[in-house]
Amino acid sequence: EVQLVESGGGLVQPGRSLKLSCVASGFTFSNYGMNWIRQAPGKGLEWVAYISSGSSYIYYAETVKGRFTISRDNAKNTLYLQMTSLRSEDTALYYCARAARDVMDAWGQGASVTVSS
Amino acid sequence: DIVMTQGALPNPVPSGESASITCQSSKSLLHSNGKTYLNWYLQRPGQSPQLLIYWMSTRASGVSDRFSGSGSGTDFTLKISSVEAEDVGVYYCQQFLEYPRTFGGGTKLELK
Repeated sequence: EVQLVESGGGLVQPGRSLKLSCVASGFTFSNYGMNWIRQAPGKGLEWVAYISSGSSYIYYAETVKGRFTISRDNAKNTLYLQMTSLRSEDTALYYCARAARDVMDAWGQGASVTVSS
Repeated sequence: DIVMTQGALPNPVPSGESASITCQSSKSLLHSNGKTYLNWYLQRPGQSPQLLIYWMSTRASGVSDRFSGSGSGTDFTLKISSVEAEDVGVYYCQQFLEYPRTFGGGTKLELK
């Protein structure tokens, strides 16, 4: 069974940093690209970042470019999102999702990030 | 960026009736390879999104045949025939043609 489990969320002050992790199991992690998508409270889905299977290709939403860094460790089956210079508008539930060809076909349960003083 | 715009449903929808959700893209999602890069997801209350339809009209594994997708390069429809309680939630369209990947604002389905 494909599983994605996010962790590392929490309450953080504006301007500070936080690092999310997503541990994958049930499939060959190193064969798949991965995404981060977020959902602000009561709002819709916003794609945040993508990393290819071998980390050769990385893309970001303009809203996080220069502040967030997506990375992965295929030996540990783990995806990361390093978030710096956090703002109140970054408050959201952050999902990791597997990129299978042209879809996001498996999603984690999400990690909650609250940016507030 | 490609803007995705979703229509609203005349909620609540009576159980057993059909429902159609519309989505419009600001740019054609039809690729030169013949595929249309439009996906549909359902987010049930309190759950993560799940894939329903990809390439505009192909059902994902395990998805009921009550769900069907159709459209052109910029105008799309997700039809749910005979709506059931398990269909309640928010439906999102998403374009997969280019980065940034963009979602529609979501369409809520409520059951009567």
